[in-house]
Amino acid sequence: DQQVKQNSPSLSVQEGRISILNCDYTNSMFDYFLWYKKYPAEGPTFLISISSIKDKNEDGRFTVFLNKSAKHLSLHIVPSQPGDSAVYFCAASGGNAGNNRKLIWGLGTSLAVNP
Amino acid sequence: DADVTQTPRNRITKTGKRIMLECSQTKGHDRMYWYRQDPGLGLRLIYYSFDVKDINKGEISDGYSVSRQAQAKFSLSLESAIPNQTALYFCATSDPRGTGNTGELFFGEGSRLTVL
Repeated sequence: DQQVKQNSPSLSVQEGRISILNCDYTNSMFDYFLWYKKYPAEGPTFLISISSIKDKNEDGRFTVFLNKSAKHLSLHIVPSQPGDSAVYFCAASGGNAGNNRKLIWGLGTSLAVNP
Repeated sequence: DADVTQTPRNRITKTGKRIMLECSQTKGHDRMYWYRQDPGLGLRLIYYSFDVKDINKGEISDGYSVSRQAQAKFSLSLESAIPNQTALYFCATSDPRGTGNTGELFFGEGSRLTVL
C-alpha cells in the first residue's frame, strides 16, 4: 500500500505561471519530507525539504507547504521556467526507524513547462 | 566528476546471463543503496548497506544479490537475468551525520539495463 501518494502523474503549465505539485501521505509518524527532481537519463537530485515541525520552507522559486492535519504537502514553483520540466518525486522519512530511517517514495509527477 | 558513479551506464543482455552493475562513491558516506525505477512504479529499494559488514534486503530483492567490497563500492548482481528486470537502476548514498539523519539520498546517474 502506497504510504506516499502523488495522485497527478503529469502537470502542464505555462512559463511564468505557478506550478503546484501535490503529495499525500498516510503515516502520521513521518517527520521529514523531501522533494527530488529528476531529468531523463539522470539520477534524482535533492530539491527542497521540510521538517514536520514547520509548515513552510522556501528556497528561491521553490516553496514547500506542509499541512500535517491533512497529511498533505505541496511544492510551489514560482515563476515556472522551461528548465523546470522534469519528474518530481515526493519522499518521506521517519516513523520508528531510529537511526535506520529510509525514504518512502511517491510515484512522481511529470511537470512540463511550456514556453 | 560525479560523486556517485555507476558502470555501465547502458547494458543490453540476454535472458539467463549474469550481470553486475557497479557503484563507487567519493562522498565518504557509509550508507549505500540500490534502487530500480520502472514507469508508473516509481523508485523501489532492492538492497541497502549501512556499512561494509552490513547488507539488508529492500522491497524487491528476489533475483538480485549485492556485495559491499569497501566503503566506497557497492555492486548489484543479477545471477540469471530475466526480461522483467529490464529497468533503470540507481545507486545512492547517504550520511545520517551530515544530513541530520533526514534520510536524504545522493544518487548516481543510473544504469539502464535491457534484458532480451
